[in-house]
Amino acid sequence: GAVVSQHPSRVICKSGTSVKIECRSLDFQATTMFWYRQFPKQSLMLMATSNEGSKATYEQGVEKDKFLINHASLTLSTLTVTSAHPEDSSFYICSAQSGDGYTFGSGTRLTVV
Amino acid sequence: AQSVTQLGSHVSVSEGALVLLRCNYSSSVPPYLFWYVQYPNQGLQLLLKYTSAATLVKGINGFEAEFKKSETSFHLTKPSAHMSDAAEYFCAVSGNTGFQKLVFGTGTRLLVSP
Repeated sequence: GAVVSQHPSRVICKSGTSVKIECRSLDFQATTMFWYRQFPKQSLMLMATSNEGSKATYEQGVEKDKFLINHASLTLSTLTVTSAHPEDSSFYICSAQSGDGYTFGSGTRLTVV
Repeated sequence: AQSVTQLGSHVSVSEGALVLLRCNYSSSVPPYLFWYVQYPNQGLQLLLKYTSAATLVKGINGFEAEFKKSETSFHLTKPSAHMSDAAEYFCAVSGNTGFQKLVFGTGTRLLVSP
């Protein structure tokens, strides 16, 4: 079946630095990728929708200058958390349209210290 | 606008007992409905989905769900719980035209005791 590879699985960074999270679709082309954020013991909140070759569409309340999304190819989408702060610590998950459904990455646990 | 409500943040069952996780949806258009399972620090795995075909949907690992339009419900069931079923379960809804974003419920943690 379709697989979305997400890296890194865990990252710890210092406050003020930037972190890049990658999601790659394996064996299929992901025209559209969704990025979610999940706080501990809470549900997934959609942050943005990215389409290959165009600008991402951000959900209300999500800072597009802070959470930079790039979807330059049909198999790779990246989320960069810029100038990270402790409140950005969270679990980030990507999802791609595949076949007649959605395939999720394994998630990235970001801790900002 | 679409939304889902999952009743019960935690459900506890004994191994071998019936599992029932509740999900009610709200949608202004005919919905697609999904159940996902999440293990700690992992992504989501699709259990099953309803896409306007059969109202009783069978999924993986013995789970099934029934779409009831009159009750706006899509409850998840499994006849006999296994210890390995202990996880977080999310119900989600989307529109039924092409691929649209998923809107997730708040999740239900299933606890299975020996």
